[in-house]
Amino acid sequence: DIQMTQSPASLSASLGETVSIECLASEGISNDLAWYQQKSGKSPQLLIYAASSLQDGVPSRFSGSGSGTQYSLKISGMQPEDEGDYFCLQGSKFPLTFGSGTKLEIK
Amino acid sequence: QVQLKESGPGLVQPSQTLSLTCTVSGLSLTSNSVSWIRQPPGKGLEWMGVIWSNGGTDYNSAIKSRLSISRDTSKSQVFLKMNSLQTEDTAMYFCARSHYYVMDAWGQGASVTVSS
Repeated sequence: DIQMTQSPASLSASLGETVSIECLASEGISNDLAWYQQKSGKSPQLLIYAASSLQDGVPSRFSGSGSGTQYSLKISGMQPEDEGDYFCLQGSKFPLTFGSGTKLEIK
Repeated sequence: QVQLKESGPGLVQPSQTLSLTCTVSGLSLTSNSVSWIRQPPGKGLEWMGVIWSNGGTDYNSAIKSRLSISRDTSKSQVFLKMNSLQTEDTAMYFCARSHYYVMDAWGQGASVTVSS
């Protein structure tokens, strides 16, 4: 199985700050990577797919990048509604595997 | 609009079988695939398996021997059955519309506790 190592496990950011979350795959995943946001008590929501494509309706302050085994999610200008947990998901090989998650809080 | 809703028993006894239903609206199961994902309390997400638009299935190898996903297209329902439940199967269970790994619509989740 492909292992997804996500970092950091937790992050505290001030309003307006730019934050980055990383995912490292145990082998190349050819940009088959998505990012999800999960707010407390809610189901996950799709933010980014194909490593860098923004899902419809997602604010443009979210962006994704990367290639090969290294991928990142950037939030350019932290907003209060961005608090939550973030997960990456690789879709290169079955079984699909998630990163362990990043808890993002407002400082 | 696309909606998915999970339903099932909140409590299952150890060694018993879990049966969950995902009822969808606003989409056809003959042209959309549905994945099941679970999340133990306070922990991360685990992809369990998928039923493709053609009715084929793929499962996570870690639980494949215990898991079955099926559907009734006429009722717009997808079913999950998992046997030999243990306490570590206690989790929130989600169904989601899937374009492979791109899951763009999720249900609210069904909480399942395994306990005697």
